[in-house]
Amino acid sequence: DAKTTQPTSMDCAEGRAANLPCNHSTISGNEYVYWYRQIHSQGPQYIIHGLKNNETNEMASLIITEDRKSSTLILPHATLRDTAVYYCIVRVGGIKAAGNKLTFGGGTRVLVKP
Amino acid sequence: GAVVSQHPSWVICKSGTSVKIECRSLDFQATTMFWYRQFPKQSLMLMATSNEGSKATYEQGVEKDKFLINHASLTLSTLTVTSAHPEDSSFYICSARGEVGKNIQYFGAGTRLSVL
Repeated sequence: DAKTTQPTSMDCAEGRAANLPCNHSTISGNEYVYWYRQIHSQGPQYIIHGLKNNETNEMASLIITEDRKSSTLILPHATLRDTAVYYCIVRVGGIKAAGNKLTFGGGTRVLVKP
Repeated sequence: GAVVSQHPSWVICKSGTSVKIECRSLDFQATTMFWYRQFPKQSLMLMATSNEGSKATYEQGVEKDKFLINHASLTLSTLTVTSAHPEDSSFYICSARGEVGKNIQYFGAGTRLSVL
């Protein structure tokens, strides 16, 4: 699976949009971009994933560049409960695809401030 | 959404004893389950992958005789830490993936193991 690079940490203002970048310059054509977050002492929570089109759900939006070498997770209105470590993970698609498992990197520690 | 239940959430045991952790998919059938461990201030490390009815596949460096994994049904996987020692103290997290949800892995809340 392709490796991802994320900022170690970032602060965000409560009520403002939080834009979390991720670089995955070696991504392959059949690899998806997944975002998870882990609030302190809990298991990771799925946020969103995409292949090449931008995606939106009730939690966030995922913007993938046209060359697919980077992406941005957008939390539209950050709240204090969004404080967590956010992981950007690249993984081969398809349930039976070889190597189809999530490998976690260091993630971005996001602190939402009042 | 898909729910993965993990039990117990916290366990303390004496050195040399064995501890079993259960992971259940509550509202979907999990064809594949994963076990991770996480040390303080570190990221999650995959320990093993199991498919229902077959032997688990362990990651390099993970002792299969130390960490016994059983995935006997489509909704239950167990991790048994055998002869636990203080260095096994960690946060253990299970994850499940099924046909539902477009190949998304869902995670349990984790089990904090403290070996005295």
